[in-house]
Amino acid sequence: DAGITQSPRHKVTETGTPVTLRCHQTENHRYMYWYRQDPGHGLRLIHYSYGVKDTDKGEVSDGYSVSRSKTEDFLLTLESATSSQTSVYFCAISVQGDEAFFGQGTRLTVV
Amino acid sequence: DQQVKQNSPSLSVQEGRISILNCDYTNSMFDYFLWYKKYPAEGPTFLISISSIKDKNEDGRFTVFLNKSAKHLSLHIVPSQPGDSAVYFCAASGDDYGGSQGNLIFGKGTKLSVKP
Repeated sequence: DAGITQSPRHKVTETGTPVTLRCHQTENHRYMYWYRQDPGHGLRLIHYSYGVKDTDKGEVSDGYSVSRSKTEDFLLTLESATSSQTSVYFCAISVQGDEAFFGQGTRLTVV
Repeated sequence: DQQVKQNSPSLSVQEGRISILNCDYTNSMFDYFLWYKKYPAEGPTFLISISSIKDKNEDGRFTVFLNKSAKHLSLHIVPSQPGDSAVYFCAASGDDYGGSQGNLIFGKGTKLSVKP
């Protein structure tokens, strides 16, 4: 258990509303990641962080923003949710090397 | 264009037999490869990895083979058990790709079913 907690675990929201997903870690790891998983696509990186206030874009960053004001928290925000952002979102941390450890996921439905 | 490809969406094997899951990649900058297992409604869990300086890594029932010239890796599970039934993702990373550790490129996954 890498001490990763995602909240909420499930959320249904309406198109056009802002949504924030939270990832919390208990072990002070430097690198944190947000991935989304969709049928037929595997997992794709949205944004990642390499330290407090240090973030960068991943493969599918359009429509998403992130913030990391504390080492332990990495927030993913959908400024104006769209149906194409219906997905399962996973937070991950790097403990050693390139091995990422994942949280339980947040299932987001945009209606 | 997919850089990590798992061309078999599903695989079914009998308990006790060998499961072989395959993965191909196109980016020659990848130098580290990983396999993850995922059960429904759970996050992916790290299974085994291999560096590009090796051609084999073994951990209990799980062995990963890397053929750099063919840009191909495979995961062998011997013997297969019903609890191994899950979706298996191949992933790759490289120092020159993405700029950070843990920035992984995933395949689409292969669903393994192990029948008793």
